[in-house]
Amino acid sequence: GENVEQHPSTLSVQEGDSAVIKCTYSDSASNYFPWYKQELGKRPQLIIDIRSNVGEKKDQRIAVTLNKTAKHFSLHITETQPEDSAVYFCAASRDWNTGFQKLVFGTGTRLLVSP
Amino acid sequence: EADIYQTPRYLVIGTGKKITLECSQTMGHDKMYWYQQDPGMELHLIHYSYGVNSTEKGDLSSESTVSRIRTEHFPLTLESARPSHTSQYLCASIEGTMKAFFGQGTRLTVV
Repeated sequence: GENVEQHPSTLSVQEGDSAVIKCTYSDSASNYFPWYKQELGKRPQLIIDIRSNVGEKKDQRIAVTLNKTAKHFSLHITETQPEDSAVYFCAASRDWNTGFQKLVFGTGTRLLVSP
Repeated sequence: EADIYQTPRYLVIGTGKKITLECSQTMGHDKMYWYQQDPGMELHLIHYSYGVNSTEKGDLSSESTVSRIRTEHFPLTLESARPSHTSQYLCASIEGTMKAFFGQGTRLTVV
């Protein structure tokens, strides 16, 4: 089955710096890669996702890159703000039309942005 | 408003009790999942369902069971709770494109 590894487990940055979180996956048939943000005491929420037919996707200050050959993908947050402090999870899955889908999560990264 | 609901939010019970954690969604999704979340963050898939009468065990061994008699309802049952079951349980409803919507979670403590 799919196995997703995520690094680092904790990341501390100063406000305004960039943050990068990296994930690797094992199932070469996976083609959907979402990122979730979980604030303290709240439920995980999708912030950005990418499918294997693209290499990069951006949404304001966040971006995700995908290298299918190396089986890794990364989350990039620029100009970090204190409200970016949260736990971030990557995940991998086969897409909806494959008939076999399990959404497997990485181990999480606790991001702390200091003012 | 379409959403996914979990009850109870918090539960403290004694060892050996039988409990059912409720999860309901009003989004009409076929796929629903249960995750167990460690205090240290990690999300472990314990059960999933592709639709009515479909249930599968996830990657993490769990002593719980699930049922899916109606599309909107995916309850999780522990027949005999133990302290090792103390954790947060998150239910998720999955859109056709694989986007997941999580419930607020049930924080279970077994004493």
